[in-house]
Amino acid sequence: AQTVTQSQPEMSVQEAETVTLSCTYDTSENNYYLFWYKQPPSRQMILVIRQEAYKQQNATENRFSVNFQKAAKSFSLKISDSQLGDTAMYFCAFIKVYSGTYKYIFGTGTRLKVLA
Amino acid sequence: EPEVTQTPSHQVTQMGQEVILRCVPISNHLYFYWYRQILGQKVEFLVSFYNNEISEKSEIFDDQFSVERPDGSNFTLKIRSTKLEDSAMYFCASSVGQPAYEQYFGPGTRLTVT
Repeated sequence: AQTVTQSQPEMSVQEAETVTLSCTYDTSENNYYLFWYKQPPSRQMILVIRQEAYKQQNATENRFSVNFQKAAKSFSLKISDSQLGDTAMYFCAFIKVYSGTYKYIFGTGTRLKVLA
Repeated sequence: EPEVTQTPSHQVTQMGQEVILRCVPISNHLYFYWYRQILGQKVEFLVSFYNNEISEKSEIFDDQFSVERPDGSNFTLKIRSTKLEDSAMYFCASSVGQPAYEQYFGPGTRLTVT
């Protein structure tokens, strides 16, 4: 069975600084996607970034980038130039692909607070 | 931009009562999901629904739970006889399916069973 672990329940960062949220996962699958979702206070989860396991290149979306280490089963999220609007709960999620299942396996989340 | 919506935002019910949580997925999406998050714990998959039938369910999704797509727009989760341990945040999500696998989530319904 797949598991996703986020070992940092809470983090804080000064505005304009860089922060890295960690995520590790366990799977015997070779084909999967990994996601980071952001959940601002009292708002729905929105996708931040997606990584396909078959791609070696790390995904980047503006200030958000990942460090995907497939052998180590690690998928960390780096937020550069942190902004107050980045304050949110961040969830790492895993999904097997091409397998007939569409369910996400989530980590427990990391609560990030950006300080002014 | 289209969004998944859920109603109500907060539902309080007594143990043993039936509740129906409602969701309106994004209109061109084909796959629908319910997840739940007990306070302080991880978001857990409950069920997925495709082509008017359950495609996958977790061990949490027992006979007390059911899902329905009664018309072309709503997707509901019914809990037949609520228990204290059903208190949680329930998230609806929808997706087109392959190849992006991205799921779009609603804001959640907080269910409190007293």
